[in-house]
Amino acid sequence: SQQGEEDPQALSIQEGENATMNCSYKTSINNLQWYRQNSGRGLVHLILIRSNEREKHSGRLRVTLDTSKKSSSLLITASRAADTASYFCATALYSTLTFGKGTMLLVSP
Amino acid sequence: DVKVTQSSRYLVKRTGEKVFLECVQDMDHENMFWYRQDPGLGLRLIYFSYDVKMKEKGDIPEGYSVSREKKERFSLILESASTNQTSMYLCASSLSIGRSGNTIYFGEGSWLTVV
Repeated sequence: SQQGEEDPQALSIQEGENATMNCSYKTSINNLQWYRQNSGRGLVHLILIRSNEREKHSGRLRVTLDTSKKSSSLLITASRAADTASYFCATALYSTLTFGKGTMLLVSP
Repeated sequence: DVKVTQSSRYLVKRTGEKVFLECVQDMDHENMFWYRQDPGLGLRLIYFSYDVKMKEKGDIPEGYSVSREKKERFSLILESASTNQTSMYLCASSLSIGRSGNTIYFGEGSWLTVV
């Protein structure tokens, strides 16, 4: 399986701090995507990085991809309480996305 | 905005019942997916469909079947529900994913409890 594995499983920080989540995967990919899930809801797409890209930004999000190490990281800067959610990386190859188990982020006011 | 609608948010079914979970998308997407999500296991792909009447098994198809008679609708069927199928089920749709770099749009999820 090409399933991604996020690290850490859970992360607790204070508002204003940065949050970094990592994702490792096993096989070749076309792109890697990060999704967010609020408790009990569906997943929402955050950002996509293609296999030939190394870094991408979107607002307070920064994603890096190292295909030689088969790893990616998601950085959320200046976190807010509203960022509290689970974050999943997903690897794309051909027609499907394969998701990791997620990182639960808790941002305390 | 893309909308993926799952017909039931919460269901309680008895062991052995036939269960239908319905999903409709409004963006003319070719691909549709059914995932289940369980604590500690993340999202696991049950089935996906890349065209009407076409289906492919995902990682955990056992105990499930699917139907896609129309492009906008993708149904997940539990032929004989069992307690180990108690889970949250997520439907999703997308244009082509791999090289095109499109993303998946998810429904809000269906919480199924089998008693």
